[in-house]
Amino acid sequence: QVQLQESGPRLVKPSETLSLTCNVSGGSISSYYWSWIRQSPGKGLEWIGYIYYSGSTNYNPSLKSRVTISVDTSKNQFSLKLSSVTAADTAVYFCARRGPAHNWFDPWGQGTLVTVSS
Amino acid sequence: AIRVTQSPSSFSASTGDRVTITCRASQGISSYLAWYQQKPGKAPKLLIYAASTLQSGVPSRFSGSGSGTDFTLTISCLQSEDFATYYCQQYYDYPPTFGQGTKLEIK
Repeated sequence: QVQLQESGPRLVKPSETLSLTCNVSGGSISSYYWSWIRQSPGKGLEWIGYIYYSGSTNYNPSLKSRVTISVDTSKNQFSLKLSSVTAADTAVYFCARRGPAHNWFDPWGQGTLVTVSS
Repeated sequence: AIRVTQSPSSFSASTGDRVTITCRASQGISSYLAWYQQKPGKAPKLLIYAASTLQSGVPSRFSGSGSGTDFTLTISCLQSEDFATYYCQQYYDYPPTFGQGTKLEIK
């Protein structure tokens, strides 16, 4: 059974870059699409983007200029970088696997709260 | 982006009740809709995709229906573990978008 676990700094300063990694266990990262989704009180659940194991990506237009998602198949993990963060980027960040053919999400990681503050 | 609106935002019910949550999309999305359940401090859990297909392992008291712009999630006989927040999500178009959530509380 595939399990996902997010890791990374919980506190990021304004204007800096938020970096998170999602480790995939119990299955291969290959042949699937992998997403980042965040949840904040103000914006609810927001899809950030996805990456295919081959490296192709698709990002939410609202974040596209600041987002980079990458994959490391040798480590069975994928990563998120969000640049120039502000307080509005404070949220719980989840990684999740996309459905076989469509953008529903299962399973999800437990989520990690990232706070943007000086 | 396609907007997805849920109603009600919250409501109270009792165990054993039959409850229905509604989700409306701002444009037709065929059957490209999923439902999730989220409990405090936990990640959302997929219940239903393709508007009415139950995810493996999800109890049969959960059901979904609808197509186009109007959808419903029904819980036929509420159990104590069903009190949670429920979200719908469209995946007809990019970016995928979520409803604002419906919080189901114990009466």
